[in-house]
Amino acid sequence: DIQMTQSPSTLSASVGDRVTITCRASQNIGDWLAWYQQIPGKAPKLLIYKASSLESGVPSRFSGSGSGTEFTLTISSLQPDDFATYYCQQYDYYSRWAFGQGTTVEIK
Amino acid sequence: QVQLVQSGAEVKKPGASVKVSCEASGYSFTGYFIHWVRQAPGRGLEWMGVINTSGGYTTYAQNFQARVTLTRDTSTSTVYMDLSSLRSEDTAVYYCTRESSSGSYGAYWGQGTLVTVSS
Repeated sequence: DIQMTQSPSTLSASVGDRVTITCRASQNIGDWLAWYQQIPGKAPKLLIYKASSLESGVPSRFSGSGSGTEFTLTISSLQPDDFATYYCQQYDYYSRWAFGQGTTVEIK
Repeated sequence: QVQLVQSGAEVKKPGASVKVSCEASGYSFTGYFIHWVRQAPGRGLEWMGVINTSGGYTTYAQNFQARVTLTRDTSTSTVYMDLSSLRSEDTAVYYCTRESSSGSYGAYWGQGTLVTVSS
């Protein structure tokens, strides 16, 4: 099974900061990667799919990059609504999923 | 608009089973796979399995292979997740999610169903 590893686990930042979260896959997954945002008590929200495509309605300050085994999610200028937990997710040919363990973005 | 509405919270005793429903609306039900993901309190997201709503075929995560069953009823556009032999570690919020048109990603999510396992 493919393992997804995110870093860091927790990140402290201020409004306006540029924030980068990394996700590494245990084997080559091409661009079959998504990023989600989750606010406590709510369902996850899809932000990025196919590693770098922005989901409709998601602010352009969110961007994704990478392919193969290393991926990043970048928030160009952190806003108050962005303090949340972020997860990467990969899928394979059989539609099996694996999530990273999550990165919590906290207020500094 | 696409909606996934899940059944309400459940409290079960260890060893029992639970069946959570996910009713879809606003799109062609058989056109998209539906996945189940759970989240234990204070923990991350854990994928459980997926159902092909057209043919009913299923794929399960290894951790749940022996205990989870996904089924669907095309007449009511509803997917069911049945988890057996419950233990306290199964206390979690269970989500259904529909794949995106762009690939196997969770574009639409149910509101979540809290299942509490306690003696």
